[in-house]
Amino acid sequence: SQTIHQWPATLVQPVGSPLSLECTVEGTSNPNLYWYRQAAGRGLQLLFYSVGIGQISSEVPQNLSASRPQDRQFILSSKKLLLSDSGFYLCAWSILLAGDALETQYFGPGTRLLVL
Amino acid sequence: AQSVTQLDSQVPVFEEAPVELRCNYSSSVSVYLFWYVQYPNQGLQLLLKYLSGSTLVKGINGFEAEFNKSQTSFHLRKPSVHISDTAEYFCAVSDTGGFKTIFGAGTRLFVKA
Repeated sequence: SQTIHQWPATLVQPVGSPLSLECTVEGTSNPNLYWYRQAAGRGLQLLFYSVGIGQISSEVPQNLSASRPQDRQFILSSKKLLLSDSGFYLCAWSILLAGDALETQYFGPGTRLLVL
Repeated sequence: AQSVTQLDSQVPVFEEAPVELRCNYSSSVSVYLFWYVQYPNQGLQLLLKYLSGSTLVKGINGFEAEFNKSQTSFHLRKPSVHISDTAEYFCAVSDTGGFKTIFGAGTRLFVKA
């Protein structure tokens, strides 16, 4: 079965410091991968998605970036964090299985980031 | 462009009472619709999804949703809620078969004893 891991679970960082959040998926190949941010009291905002190694699409211009160095690894980074980067970051994966007409996204446990 | 509106940010309800969480969407093409649940400090779990066919979709944990094309709605219902149903619920829409899904702002369901 497929599993998705995110770490760390919680992170407190000062403003201006760098960021690296990691997401890995097990049990599937060539998944679509996604990074979302969930701010307090708001819905999910799609930040980045990737359809393959090295292929990253950005949905929202910001000081964050994403990379996919391996098929099942997705990394969210920042060179200098802002206060507004605080939130709950969720990684997700999806794949279109043979015989299915619909992809379902499966979410990781999330990383709570607090920028002070 | 697609959008999703969840009409209630919070819904308090007593245990064993019925509940309806409302969702309206807008899209210029055929859509796929989802409901997800998020328990505190966890990721999202899929409750149910609508692709085509019967407009009444049954999901996990006793939840069901009805697709209404004329009203562009996909409301989530449960006839009798439990304390354990306390969570945040997200409606979502995709016009690309589940890839690049747009999520609503969420509805926080509080079930009281």
